[in-house]
Amino acid sequence: DAGITQSPRHKVTETGTPVTLRCHQTENHRYMYWYRQDPGHGLRLIHYSYGVKDTDKGEVSDGYSVSRSKTEDFLLTLESATSSQTSVYFCAISGISNTANTGELFFGEGSRLTVL
Amino acid sequence: AQSVTQLGSHVSVSEGALVLLRCNYSSSVPPYLFWYVQYPNQGLQLLLKYTSAATLVKGINGFEAEFKKSETSFHLTKPSAHMSDAAEYFCAVSDGRDDKIIFGKGTRLHILP
Repeated sequence: DAGITQSPRHKVTETGTPVTLRCHQTENHRYMYWYRQDPGHGLRLIHYSYGVKDTDKGEVSDGYSVSRSKTEDFLLTLESATSSQTSVYFCAISGISNTANTGELFFGEGSRLTVL
Repeated sequence: AQSVTQLGSHVSVSEGALVLLRCNYSSSVPPYLFWYVQYPNQGLQLLLKYTSAATLVKGINGFEAEFKKSETSFHLTKPSAHMSDAAEYFCAVSDGRDDKIIFGKGTRLHILP
């Protein structure tokens, strides 16, 4: 199994509070992704990273920011959580090489976030 | 921008019957296409992928998919369903230009005894 760890795995928070989810990989892969999964919507791309300090927006980036200060960590931050951000968040890494993006994703186990 | 449409949010088949899950894509350039499976309370795992080699792609657990450019389709099939195939299946596309990998809404496969 790919070495991907998400933390926390479960979190309950209140509307308006900041939340940070962490994705940690031990595979030295260049590409990292954050998705959210909601019933009826499948997986939607929030942000992704193609290298240290290199990130870009996905399909549903409003209300989220990311940072990647080192290869192994990709942080997803909700600056002021809202109930619409209640979801399961998945981190994924791509590729079997540190340079080429093969497009094959390896997923973490997910982080379930509830915003009350 | 690339996109994926999966027809049917739920599909039910009898054990031993053919499984057919439909996926149509939109991409301005030849795409990379993928099928992923998600078992309950787990992350997703790759079933198979198309990356411009053979149009018929074989994956794990007896699944295969055929890339049809003229139909912009990448349907997933398995000749004989097994109870253990019950899961949610996602089709995904990447056009290889901006590293975005976009998923469809998923199809939940139910296997009837």
